Amino acid sequence: NAGVTQTPKFRILKIGQSMTLQCTQDMNHNYMYWYRQDPGMGLKLIYYSVGAGITDKGEVPNGYNVSRSTTEDFPLRLELAAPSQTSVYFCASRNRDRRNRYQPQHFGDGTRLSIL
Amino acid sequence: AQTVTQSQPEMSVQEAETVTLSCTYDTSENNYYLFWYKQPPSRQMILVIRQEAYKQQNATENRFSVNFQKAAKSFSLKISDSQLGDTAMYFCAFMKQGANNLFFGTGTRLTIIP
Repeated sequence: NAGVTQTPKFRILKIGQSMTLQCTQDMNHNYMYWYRQDPGMGLKLIYYSVGAGITDKGEVPNGYNVSRSTTEDFPLRLELAAPSQTSVYFCASRNRDRRNRYQPQHFGDGTRLSIL
Repeated sequence: AQTVTQSQPEMSVQEAETVTLSCTYDTSENNYYLFWYKQPPSRQMILVIRQEAYKQQNATENRFSVNFQKAAKSFSLKISDSQLGDTAMYFCAFMKQGANNLFFGTGTRLTIIP
């Protein structure tokens, strides 16, 4: 099982460029998440999805867009890259609760993005 | 909004010793979950242990255990018989039951000294 796969692992962008961070999971999880981790900080939620066709904003959504056309994929798009978006980005997924017990999130290995 | 505070930016301990990492949180919710995540240099986030707020019994996972004090809003992690592979950043996290937003603390960098 590959789990949660993120590509690319590293990327350098120029200010104003756009790019898409890819995330795919093979566990048939309903829920998927995008986080960013700034240096010396914990993760902050950007967007999440509870199923195909459904997305919602997290704590820090400005400057990002997402889509969820399939259960497996949850790409994150930066339209106009800014230096403040330099961060490590993590994708995560989890199954729906079972017997009212929360199912924990599984994380990808992260994408390190630098905006220069 | 919920806040999670980890007051120890860095800690170090000799191999085989026991270490306790502190975490406090602020919430008005009654039903929630608490987590400890480990982030080694490989960067991957690994769930170490979790606690449901409605459970009075402290969670344990092998060498890892927690001291959950709901009234004090405290959730510390104890690592017994520490190993070199325990060297990592440790993050405490909070989530309201039924919600989707995990709130993380700023982390504690733990170094196990041979």
